[in-house]
Amino acid sequence: DQQVKQNSPSLSVQEGRISILNCDYTNSMFDYFLWYKKYPAEGPTFLISISSIKDKNEDGRFTVFLNKSAKHLSLHIVPSQPGDSAVYFCAANHFDQTGANNLFFGTGTRLTVIP
Amino acid sequence: DTAVSQTPKYLVTQMGNDKSIKCEQNLGHDTMYWYKQDSKKFLKIMFSYNNKELIINETVPNRFSPKSPDKAHLNLHINSLELGDSAVYFCASSQSGIQPQHFGDGTRLSIL
Repeated sequence: DQQVKQNSPSLSVQEGRISILNCDYTNSMFDYFLWYKKYPAEGPTFLISISSIKDKNEDGRFTVFLNKSAKHLSLHIVPSQPGDSAVYFCAANHFDQTGANNLFFGTGTRLTVIP
Repeated sequence: DTAVSQTPKYLVTQMGNDKSIKCEQNLGHDTMYWYKQDSKKFLKIMFSYNNKELIINETVPNRFSPKSPDKAHLNLHINSLELGDSAVYFCASSQSGIQPQHFGDGTRLSIL
């Protein structure tokens, strides 16, 4: 049962334009959301996160938006650069009393930025 | 300088063998994890260790056992390997609380 879904397996964007990657989740108990970037033969690299008490978090060219009522989040990259070409994973987290950091991942979206 | 390192990067072995994957982190984190990425690229948590205690144990076969000699290491032992164990295994670490996890580069396990 996949609790985090990324329905677009791939996305192509022209350099300089905006990239929008989408993610949906089903578990209303999630309280922390993250985006990871992954290059081939490397591990996922943390990019940006957002707490469930916020609806927007910005870090340079990267902005994450959270719509709790729709159980939807998105990652905006503007302007997109060729070096942004990678697989982007959405992840969500629910903290319990043990402090366990149980991350649930989506299946990823491959972003290609065309020069 | 590598924050989370795992060895080996590639592991090719035969069905029925026992193998181990090592993981070390130099970030001073108190929690370490093992994830499995299957053929559909789905990353799923297998185990996590916090201060040398297992706090998450998802429904993985008991042929898989994590072993943590100290806070900086979490090794994964797999007994009686099966074809379905072929996957990429990622180690990760984090500080407890609302902190992102940092991943190693993965170990690609192939069962012949």
